[in-house]
Amino acid sequence: QVQLQESGPGLVKPSQTLSLTCTVSGGSISSGSYYWSWIRQPAGKGLEWIGRIYTSGSTNYNPSLKSRVTISVDTSKNQFSLKLSSVTAADTAVYYCASLAVGEHWFDPWGQGTLVTVSS
Amino acid sequence: DIQMTQSPSSLSASVGDRVTITCQASQDISNYLNWYQQKPGKAPKLLIYDASNLETGVPSRFSGSGSGTDFTFTISSLQPEDIATYYCQQYDNLPMYTFGQGTKLEIK
Repeated sequence: QVQLQESGPGLVKPSQTLSLTCTVSGGSISSGSYYWSWIRQPAGKGLEWIGRIYTSGSTNYNPSLKSRVTISVDTSKNQFSLKLSSVTAADTAVYYCASLAVGEHWFDPWGQGTLVTVSS
Repeated sequence: DIQMTQSPSSLSASVGDRVTITCQASQDISNYLNWYQQKPGKAPKLLIYDASNLETGVPSRFSGSGSGTDFTFTISSLQPEDIATYYCQQYDNLPMYTFGQGTKLEIK
């Protein structure tokens, strides 16, 4: 089974762009077997799906975030990335990357998560 | 949008107790519902998929049932290591995924 690991800055200033990367190991991101997703969780709150990308580059986003989100894939590095623009304190959360096997619609496995704080 | 309502939001039970959590969808979602366990400081872990299928390696004391709008997650005999927050997740209106608000389970 693949393993996922998030990385990126832990602190972002308001109005700037949050950028995170998820590195996939134990399998090829180009295999065509998975969709690659981002999910976030504010402290003490529930889970919010942000979006997903397929190997082809096809993306789907949560309508509530769509105007600010870009998910991309770098097959040469076996990574996919999240960019969230114009961040505010409300975007402070633990961000997880996770995979969805093609034909299935549950998230498994997940990365360990990375905390991103939006503050000046 | 499909809304998922989990209840209760928190629950205190004793070791050995049977524990039940419910998740109600705002519209018919067939069996398109999954359950996750999240321990403090950890990522969620898949336990049940498609309402009633136990993920490989998950103890058999965990089970799920339901279809349509009403779903149930059960721990048949609560163990100390089951202390966690549990979430349901629906996928009826693809490609959108939504989670319930979670149920925090504590030991009495």
